[in-house]
Amino acid sequence: EDKVVQSPLSLVVHEGDTVTLNCSYEVTNFRSLLWYKQEKKAPTFLFMLTSSGIEKKSGRLSSILDKKELFSILNITATQTGDSAVYLCAVGALSGNQFYFGTGTSLTVIP
Amino acid sequence: EAQVTQNPRYLITVTGKKLTVTCSQNMNHEYMSWYRQDPGLGLRQIYYSMNVEVTDKGDVPEGYKVSRKEKRNFPLILESPSPNQTSLYFCASSQFPGTSGISRTDTQYFGPGTRLTVL
Repeated sequence: EDKVVQSPLSLVVHEGDTVTLNCSYEVTNFRSLLWYKQEKKAPTFLFMLTSSGIEKKSGRLSSILDKKELFSILNITATQTGDSAVYLCAVGALSGNQFYFGTGTSLTVIP
Repeated sequence: EAQVTQNPRYLITVTGKKLTVTCSQNMNHEYMSWYRQDPGLGLRQIYYSMNVEVTDKGDVPEGYKVSRKEKRNFPLILESPSPNQTSLYFCASSQFPGTSGISRTDTQYFGPGTRLTVL
């Protein structure tokens, strides 16, 4: 059964902390891994990763994929209250063009 | 403005009363999809479509129907809604590879969501 597992389920940190969110997957015919941010509304796209070892960066956020160990991490440095959200990991499969989402990590950043 | 729109945004209905949730995108995307989001279960794919007249089941298709008669529209139909279909529904769209060899992009753009309650 194809699945995506995210950890931790929730996280509370103080502003300025650095956090690492984890996503592991078991998906037949992996094609891509995507990270989304969801703030009480529609998910918005953060990163798409297809190759191992290549870090994607956008400001304080970065992500990397390990296709051998079947996981990805999302790092957020110098967190701000605006980073509070649910972070979703999704994996796209080659066969069937389906997408499998994890249950998300809820991040709360306290001032 | 590039966007995915859904209607209605909120709906309360009763068991067995047929309903349709509309989804429309203005980005000329080939791929469209419907998800439901439930606490503790995350986003689960209901149906998806890779182009006009091409639809496929996702993980949780039971109780739902879709159609793709036009590229921009992908309505979700609940013929006989039941309380276990109470959920937050998202429509999404993305590009699909053409023949130019450009890698497909899996970046999906999500609609604002439809919160459905079935009594």
